[in-house]
This record gives sequence, C-alpha cells and structure tokens, in this order.
Amino acid sequence: AQRVTQPEKLLSVFKGAPVELKCNYSYSGSPELFWYVQYSRQRLQLLLRHISRESIKGFTADLNKGETSFHLKKPFAQEEDSAMYYCALGSSGSARQLTFGSGTQLTVLP
Amino acid sequence: DVKVTQSSRYLVKRTGEKVFLECVQDMDHENMFWYRQDPGLGLRLIYFSYDVKMKEKGDIPEGYSVSREKKERFSLILESASTNQTSMYLCASSNSGPTQYFGPGTRLTVL
Repeated sequence: AQRVTQPEKLLSVFKGAPVELKCNYSYSGSPELFWYVQYSRQRLQLLLRHISRESIKGFTADLNKGETSFHLKKPFAQEEDSAMYYCALGSSGSARQLTFGSGTQLTVLP
Repeated sequence: DVKVTQSSRYLVKRTGEKVFLECVQDMDHENMFWYRQDPGLGLRLIYFSYDVKMKEKGDIPEGYSVSREKKERFSLILESASTNQTSMYLCASSNSGPTQYFGPGTRLTVL
C-alpha cells in the first residue's frame, strides 16, 4: 500500500531563514511525487512535481529514492510562504489517483 | 485556465438529511475526485470517477455515494448525514496526467 508521511503538523520559521518541509513515502513502484499548497482562503493548488525538476516561488524538492523522501526546501523564507503544504504520491492506476500526506502548516514570522 | 466550481461554500444540515454536493469542471477532464479534508488527517479520497457513469471507491467511501451523469459534473451524496461527516469537502479533476485541479471546497456542518 502506498503511504505519505509528513512528520511535522506545524512549522514556524523567521523571515529570511531556510525552511525544509519533510515528506517520506512508501511505494513499491516508481514514485511520482508532488507538493501542493493551500494559502489562506484559497484553493489547493499544485506547487511543484518532482518530474519537472523546477523551482517554483524559490522552492525546490529532490526525490531521494534511497531515503524514500521528497523534502521541500527554500533557502530564504518569505511571509507570503505561510500556508498549508501537502505532499502527494501519484499512482499508476486508473484516473492516476493521488495519496496525500497529513499536511504541514508553515508560518513565516516577521 | 482550469476552472473547478463547487455549488456551495458553506452548508449546514441536520442529522439524517440527504445532502448533495455538486462539482463542475469546464476543461473536459476525464477524471473527477471527491476528498474530505480534516485537520491532522490531510486529504482522504472518498470516491473518484474516470468516465461518465463510472465510479470507484476511494479510501473512505462509507456513508457516501456519487453520481456522474455528465462528463463535467460529479456529485457527492450523503444519504443520511451524520455529525462525523462534518468536514471540508474538496472536488478535483484531472486529465490523462496525475496533476489534479481543485475546487474551492464546501464546508459542511451537520448538526
């Protein structure tokens, strides 16, 4: 069975500090991983996917198959990064389902 | 730009009532999903559909049913609402790839 674990429910950092949101997964096949973000009073939206290997809003995430991790990182946090972040694992079955982690609420303090 | 809309932002119902939550997408997507979002539990998949009139159970289908009579519309039905179904309900759609596009959510309170 596939599973996504986000060990931190809450994470607070100061503006300008580095931030890392942890995500570990369990999956027997070849994983496809995503980070979704939900800003206050906005809908859930895709932040980035590992296959794109891109940086979005200064965030990057590297898939580490050895450690089964997909941590989200940003070198200098901004107050507008405060949001709920979900890590998600894609399946290869019909409709390409996503399994979500429990989420990490990031607060960037001024 | 993909647009997924949900019929209500807030809904208050009484225990035992039948509840309909509607979702519409305008991008001709094949797949549609219903999740519930609860603090500390993340998003949990209730049902999904990969074609008109096709549906499959997700991780927590008990107490729910769905209907997809048209490609753009996916309805979630609570046959007899209970207080433990108080939650935020999110609808999403996707095409052939795994990226899902979400609606704004419906916050349902069952009294």
